[in-house]
Amino acid sequence: AQSVTQLDSHVSVSEGTPVLLRCNYSSSYSPSLFWYVQHPNKGLQLLLKYTSAATLVKGINGFEAEFKKSETSFHLTKPSAHMSDAAEYFCAGNSGYSTLTFGKGTMLLVSP
Amino acid sequence: EAGVTQFPSHSVIEKGQTVTLRCDPISGHDNLYWYRRVMGKEIKFLLHFVKESKQDESGMPNNRFLAERTGGTYSTLKVQPAELEDSGVYFCASSLEWGLNSPLHFGNGTRLTVT
Repeated sequence: AQSVTQLDSHVSVSEGTPVLLRCNYSSSYSPSLFWYVQHPNKGLQLLLKYTSAATLVKGINGFEAEFKKSETSFHLTKPSAHMSDAAEYFCAGNSGYSTLTFGKGTMLLVSP
Repeated sequence: EAGVTQFPSHSVIEKGQTVTLRCDPISGHDNLYWYRRVMGKEIKFLLHFVKESKQDESGMPNNRFLAERTGGTYSTLKVQPAELEDSGVYFCASSLEWGLNSPLHFGNGTRLTVT
């Protein structure tokens, strides 16, 4: 079974500065990995997914993530944070053919 | 298209009472999933329907939880009797096809508080 670990419960950045949200996975096989975002009182929205194609995955809203097998990592980045990026972010991996295992979430705070 | 709809958005009940959560998936989506997030913990898988059949219910915590999907359309998740540790946010998701290549569409969740 796969597990994912989000290394930071909270990340604070200033508007216009880069964003880095960290995620490590453990899996004995090639994983499928995902990043979701949840804005207050909203559902989970898929940002991007990795499914063993290109290791650099581009998602919506300027986010991207790089799959690094040697580091068992799938960190989420964005060059320049916007106020609207403030939300909770979840890294997830497949734990079955169609089920997901989620990390504990990282709250991104963006200050003006 | 309408998204995944969950009702109610919030529910506050006393320990020992019964609560029923409802999920309406996106029309045409055969696959329906229930997940929940207990306060401060990860979002965890509960079960997966394909049409009206339970494909995987390995995440259901105990027999106080009963999920149904009569007719393969909307689904209900009943908790009876509710316990304090059942408090959390219950998410429903649906997908067109089986497998993670078919994106999961999540509802806004039902926040359940058991007092």
